[in-house]
Amino acid sequence: KNQVEQSPQSLIILEGKNCTLQCNYTVSPFSNLRWYKQDTGRGPVSLTIMTFSENTKSNGRYTATLDADTKQSSLHITASQLSDSASYICVVSAVYSGAGSYQLTFGKGTKLSVIP
Amino acid sequence: KAGVTQTPRYLIKTRGQQVTLSCSPISGHRSVSWYQQTPGQGLQFLFEYFSETQRNKGNFPGRFSGRQFSNSRSEMNVSTLELGDSALYLCASSLDVTALEAFFGQGTRLTVV
Repeated sequence: KNQVEQSPQSLIILEGKNCTLQCNYTVSPFSNLRWYKQDTGRGPVSLTIMTFSENTKSNGRYTATLDADTKQSSLHITASQLSDSASYICVVSAVYSGAGSYQLTFGKGTKLSVIP
Repeated sequence: KAGVTQTPRYLIKTRGQQVTLSCSPISGHRSVSWYQQTPGQGLQFLFEYFSETQRNKGNFPGRFSGRQFSNSRSEMNVSTLELGDSALYLCASSLDVTALEAFFGQGTRLTVV
């Protein structure tokens, strides 16, 4: 069964500090791993997407890493801002080329609160 | 370029009723997928459509169904609503089934009373 586990479940940090969120997955056949940011009551917004051959990708203050051997990913947020308060969701995609379809498996997310 | 549009944004229904939610994907996108999000379970995959055909289906009862029209717009229907169906329903669109990125709509918040 495809699964994505995220840790921690929630995190509170001071504005300006850095933090790292973790994602472990067992998804097959692996196609890509995505990190999404979801503000309360809104749809998720993509931060980074990494395929099997990529091990790091940045988007401004967000840097994601991927270790396909250990099936682990992390999202590092630098110099946090109040607007970073949101849920961060790790999503792993499996592509079934024979059926011509794909399926996303979602982690339950890490709820980040940035306080002044 | 308009994003993914879901209607309605909010909906209140009573147990036993049925409901239809609508999703208009980004222009040119042909793949639409649907997800249910609850505080306890997080996001769960419902089904995915491409070119009016359901390509993949999650582990939900038959009360949950969907369809896609020739213009790629999609609807999902839930019949005989239960209290546990209260959730945020999200749809996402992609260029095609191999697209790397899925763009999400704002969701429809369904409350069953």
